[in-house]
Amino acid sequence: DAMVIQNPRYQVTQFGKPVTLSCSQTLNHNVMYWYQQKSSQAPKLLFHYYDKDFNNEADTPDNFQSRRPNTSFCFLDIRSPGLGDAAMYLCATSRDRQSNQPQHFGDGTRLSIL
Amino acid sequence: EDKVVQSPLSLVVHEGDTVTLNCSYEVTNFRSLLWYKQEKKAPTFLFMLTSSGIEKKSGRLSSILDKKELSSILNITATQTGDSAIYLCAVKSGGSNYKLTFGKGTLLTVNP
Repeated sequence: DAMVIQNPRYQVTQFGKPVTLSCSQTLNHNVMYWYQQKSSQAPKLLFHYYDKDFNNEADTPDNFQSRRPNTSFCFLDIRSPGLGDAAMYLCATSRDRQSNQPQHFGDGTRLSIL
Repeated sequence: EDKVVQSPLSLVVHEGDTVTLNCSYEVTNFRSLLWYKQEKKAPTFLFMLTSSGIEKKSGRLSSILDKKELSSILNITATQTGDSAIYLCAVKSGGSNYKLTFGKGTLLTVNP
């Protein structure tokens, strides 16, 4: 009954080789978020989509891009992964931004860079 | 810049013990404070506290928001090994995007 689904759970890529992580949701939520979580650190928001409106955080590197082709799917593209990009990537959704409704998270994709 | 600090960063207890996890925050235009439990997978939602709901309880877990002290505690009584996890505190601020700012989490280990 997973409502936010991330694929794959584990991803290994080579230094500099583009990689795409995917997230889908069955909640029909308007907002989809991508977070980066490194070991022993807080999840850090990279960007989010409010419907089709893309909102980038000021300190998100240009190496990170996102696409949302429809309500259900959102992708995280890392154009040229570096060793420092190894982390857990969490996708989350919420019905909207301003109401006090919790975000729902997927199980995450753990990315390793060789 | 919004900031959320959790303490302790890690804690080891025995089954049956009671634990208190702390979260303090400095955010612009506070909207709500959320607690999540993260095992080796998705963070799962536990509680949300707002100005109109400063105390929540569910079974052995309870949480209180102190808006004066800009902090919250999460209590777990009669701990079980299944409570072992990272407990994340996050604060939602008002502003253009109503973003969540997370703390680093408290790693709780409950030994049998």
